[in-house]
Amino acid sequence: KAGVTQTPRYLIKTRGQQVTLSCSPISGHRSVSWYQQTPGQGLQFLFEYFSETQRNKGNFPGRFSGRQFSNSRSEMNVSTLELGDSALYLCASSLERGQGTDTQYFGPGTRLTVL
Amino acid sequence: AQKVTQAQTEISVVEKEDVTLDCVYETRDTTYYLFWYKQPPSGELVFLIRRNSFDEQNEISGRYSWNFQKSTSSFNFTITASQVVDSAVYFCALSKTSYDKVIFGPGTSLSVIP
Repeated sequence: KAGVTQTPRYLIKTRGQQVTLSCSPISGHRSVSWYQQTPGQGLQFLFEYFSETQRNKGNFPGRFSGRQFSNSRSEMNVSTLELGDSALYLCASSLERGQGTDTQYFGPGTRLTVL
Repeated sequence: AQKVTQAQTEISVVEKEDVTLDCVYETRDTTYYLFWYKQPPSGELVFLIRRNSFDEQNEISGRYSWNFQKSTSSFNFTITASQVVDSAVYFCALSKTSYDKVIFGPGTSLSVIP
């Protein structure tokens, strides 16, 4: 069974540009969560999608957005990139996040560098 | 406001020693969820456990065990007979519901020395 995949794995952008990151969950998983990890702020929750609906969003500006498609694949978009957006972006999938013994599985992450 | 504190920034132990990672949380919610995650040097996060605040029973999974104490707002994680492969950063986290935004602690870096 294939794990969670994230593309691209590495990305270099310049300030002001926009970027789209992709996450393909494990087959059958309907919940996808996104996280940002930086040395300064640590791990932070971005948003969580379930069946194409955003159920919750962390404290990030409107420049950060996301969506989920009918096949559960998810994308996140960051517009007008700032230097502080340089981070490791992690995606996780689960059958139905938080139910019973449901387990989250994480992808390898996308390392975004903003110059 | 919710907050998670992991006072131990770095811990080093010799292989086969037991080690406990501390986690103290703050929340005004009457129900909540607590989590532990592991991030090995490869960088990929690994989900270890989710615990509902209703369930104060301690949990054991192989060499891992978790001690949840509502009275002290703590959710400590113990690794018994540590191994080099346990070397990683461990994060404790808190959320209001099972799918709500998760608040992470700063992490504890564990080094197991052979």
